[in-house]
Amino acid sequence: DIHMTQSPTSLSASVGDRVTISCRASQSISSFLNWYQQRPGTAPKLLIYAASRLHSGVPSRFSGSGSGTDFTLTISSLQPEDLGTYYCQQTYNSPAWTFGPGTTVEIK
Amino acid sequence: QVQLVESGGGVVQPGRSLRLSCTASGYIFSYYAMHWVRQAPDKGLELVAFISSDGRIDSYADSVKGRFTISRDNSQNTLHLQMNSLRTEDAALYYCARDQGGPEGGFDLWGQGTLVTVSS
Repeated sequence: DIHMTQSPTSLSASVGDRVTISCRASQSISSFLNWYQQRPGTAPKLLIYAASRLHSGVPSRFSGSGSGTDFTLTISSLQPEDLGTYYCQQTYNSPAWTFGPGTTVEIK
Repeated sequence: QVQLVESGGGVVQPGRSLRLSCTASGYIFSYYAMHWVRQAPDKGLELVAFISSDGRIDSYADSVKGRFTISRDNSQNTLHLQMNSLRTEDAALYYCARDQGGPEGGFDLWGQGTLVTVSS
């Protein structure tokens, strides 16, 4: 199985800050990497698919990059509604897709 | 309105069974593969089961293989998860999710979840 790790485990940032979250796969997954946001008490939402493609309706302050084993989710200007947990997911090893453990974003 | 609505969760004793359902509306259900994803309290996301759009292909996490069965009825726009021999570690919020398709996939539509509690 492909193992996913994320760093940091949690972070606290101010409104307007640039925030980056890293995701690493245990083997190369090309660009088969998705990012989800889960606000407290709600279901996850797809933000980014195929490593860098913005899902419909997602604000442009979110962006994704990377390929192979190392990926990054960037929030260019953190907003209060961005608090929550962010998960990466690999879809390379179909259908044994796996999620990362999550990164919790708090607002200072 | 495009949505998924789960039902069937509840409190069940270890070793018993439970059947979850997910009803889709607002889109052509038979076009999309579907997944069940669970989240234990204060834990991350775990993919439980997958089923192809026509129901011919399924797969399971090792943790549930042989105990859980995913199925779908495209004529009724419903997805099911039959859970047998439940264990305390199966307690979680269970989400159904739509696979948007394409080579990279991505789960683009989620239900609100149904809670399964396994306790004696």
